[in-house]
Amino acid sequence: GAVVSQHPSRVICKSGTSVKIECRSLDFQATTMFWYRQFPKQSLMLMATSNEGSKATYEQGVEKDKFLINHASLTLSTLTVTSAHPEDSSFYICSARRTSGGTDTQYFGPGTRLTVL
Amino acid sequence: AQSVAQPEDQVNVAEGNPLTVKCTYSVSGNPYLFWYVQYPNRGLQFLLKYITGDNLVKGSYGFEAEFNKSQTSFHLKKPSALVSDSALYFCAVRVYSGGYQKVTFGIGTKLQVIP
Repeated sequence: GAVVSQHPSRVICKSGTSVKIECRSLDFQATTMFWYRQFPKQSLMLMATSNEGSKATYEQGVEKDKFLINHASLTLSTLTVTSAHPEDSSFYICSARRTSGGTDTQYFGPGTRLTVL
Repeated sequence: AQSVAQPEDQVNVAEGNPLTVKCTYSVSGNPYLFWYVQYPNRGLQFLLKYITGDNLVKGSYGFEAEFNKSQTSFHLKKPSALVSDSALYFCAVRVYSGGYQKVTFGIGTKLQVIP
């Protein structure tokens, strides 16, 4: 099946620094990728929809200047958490939408655990 | 290895009839189980979750799911389907182990409710 990777799988950073998380679709092109965050024992929360070659669409309440999303190619979207604070500590998951070959499905990355000290 | 199976690519049901979307899982440890729905061109939306407690979980839009530990299943159900329920449904399992967590999603099941 299709594979989506995320890098890094785990990152620890100091408060005030920026962290970049990559989401790659390894064997298909994805014009649309989604970014989610998940708090302990909670469900996923959609943060934004990343569209290749255009600006991301952010969900209500998500600060676009804090969570920068770039979808520069059909296989890569990045989420940069700028000036990270401890409350940004969370589990971030991306997914990539595959629409080729008459299918329309979504594949999820393994997630990135961000800990801000 | 942790895995989630949604054995049906598509489920068709007549409006007003009960619906079931199946999910089984395989994990080491105690699972947290989730169902999400995705409408066209949108991200996932949370429906319901099982963490602990009552095996029957009620969620959004009249959906419910029953955690069955012996069968390692967490099937999604609704007593009376609506056309607006037509969407893609994902089951997910989350396990904490040794300070790490791992989330695994099923491949998704397309629900088609026929008027």
